[in-house]
Amino acid sequence: KQEVTQIPAALSVPEGENLVLNCSFTDSAIYNLQWFRQDPGKGLTSLLLIQSSQREQTSGRLNASLDKSSGRSTLYIAASQPGDSATYLCAVVSVQAGTALIFGKGTTLSVSS
Amino acid sequence: EAQVTQNPRYLITVTGKKLTVTCSQNMNHEYMSWYRQDPGLGLRQIYYSMNVEVTDKGDVPEGYKVSRKEKRNFPLILESPSPNQTSLYFCASRLAARANQPQHFGDGTRLSIL
Repeated sequence: KQEVTQIPAALSVPEGENLVLNCSFTDSAIYNLQWFRQDPGKGLTSLLLIQSSQREQTSGRLNASLDKSSGRSTLYIAASQPGDSATYLCAVVSVQAGTALIFGKGTTLSVSS
Repeated sequence: EAQVTQNPRYLITVTGKKLTVTCSQNMNHEYMSWYRQDPGLGLRQIYYSMNVEVTDKGDVPEGYKVSRKEKRNFPLILESPSPNQTSLYFCASRLAARANQPQHFGDGTRLSIL
């Protein structure tokens, strides 16, 4: 059964730092991996989607990489800002599991000014 | 604006009183699904729909029903709510079941069952 793990569970950094959030998954047979942002009391906002054939995707200050063979993805945030404070969720669509997104429990990021 | 709209956003109700959470998307997506989010357990899929009149169970379907009579709407029905269904619920949609397109989520519905 596919399992998705995110480490660390929480992270605090000063403004301006570059940081990396980690996501690992146990079954490398995936269709794609998606990174989301969740603000308190709000829904999930899609940040980046990486197809299984891709190695990375970039959007502004965000860069997500995928190493399917090792079951790992990273989300790199450059020059962090207080507005980046949120919970970041990683999710995969697994071949074996069908159509559902399988989520990690998230990394809660706090960026202080 | 492309969006997934859920209603209500918040609801406090009592055990056994039937309720429906509506979900509507304006992107002509075929695939829609419902998730619940609980502390320590993360997000888990309740039900999904591949297209109109095609629905199936997710990981945690007990106590829930769904219907998909129109492409844009996918309501979640709790026939006899119980306190263990107190949770944050999200509706989501995607272009197609296995499309390499991002999944879009609504803003969530916080349900409290007393």
